[in-house]
Amino acid sequence: AQTVTQSQPEMSVQEAETVTLSCTYDTSESNYYLFWYKQPPSRQMILVIRQEAYKQQNATENRFSVNFQKAAKSFSLKISDSQLGDTAMYFCAHRNTDKLIFGTGTRLQVFP
Amino acid sequence: KAGVTQTPRYLIKTRGQQVTLSCSPISGHRSVSWYQQTPGQGLQFLFEYFSETQRNKGNFPGRFSGRQFSNSRSEMNVSTLELGDSALYLCASSLETGRANYGYTFGSGTRLTVV
Repeated sequence: AQTVTQSQPEMSVQEAETVTLSCTYDTSESNYYLFWYKQPPSRQMILVIRQEAYKQQNATENRFSVNFQKAAKSFSLKISDSQLGDTAMYFCAHRNTDKLIFGTGTRLQVFP
Repeated sequence: KAGVTQTPRYLIKTRGQQVTLSCSPISGHRSVSWYQQTPGQGLQFLFEYFSETQRNKGNFPGRFSGRQFSNSRSEMNVSTLELGDSALYLCASSLETGRANYGYTFGSGTRLTVV
């Protein structure tokens, strides 16, 4: 079965610091997509970053970057220079045959 | 460019009733997916439509159904509501399916409460 595991239910970080959220997944596919989504209190799921498995280079979007370890099936998200607006639930997701399988999420709190 | 629009935002229904939720995807997006989010089960896939055809279905009872119209707008219907159907229902659209995927864009969801 395809699964996505986020082992950190909650994390906190001080403003301007760096934080890393962990995610591991299980898949039998050779090519696939991985995503990190952010869900603030407004409820809307916002795409933070995506990674194509066949690309060895780690994806980067401004302050957000990933550490993609395909052999280890690990896909962690690094947030640099954390901002108060980064406070949200973060979900790791794996795309499997046209559907997303989500992890249980990590609640990130950024403190001033 | 307008985002994914879900209506209504909030809904309160009584056990046994039925409900219809609506989703308008981003213009040009032909794939629409539905997800249920609950504190206990997290985010679970309901179904996915592409060009008016259901392409994929999650593990939900037959009380949950959906459809997609020629303009790509989608509706999902839940009949004989149960208390456990209380959840946030999220709709997502994507540009393509089965090929390069640039991510799914989600709406703000419909909060359904069954009493």
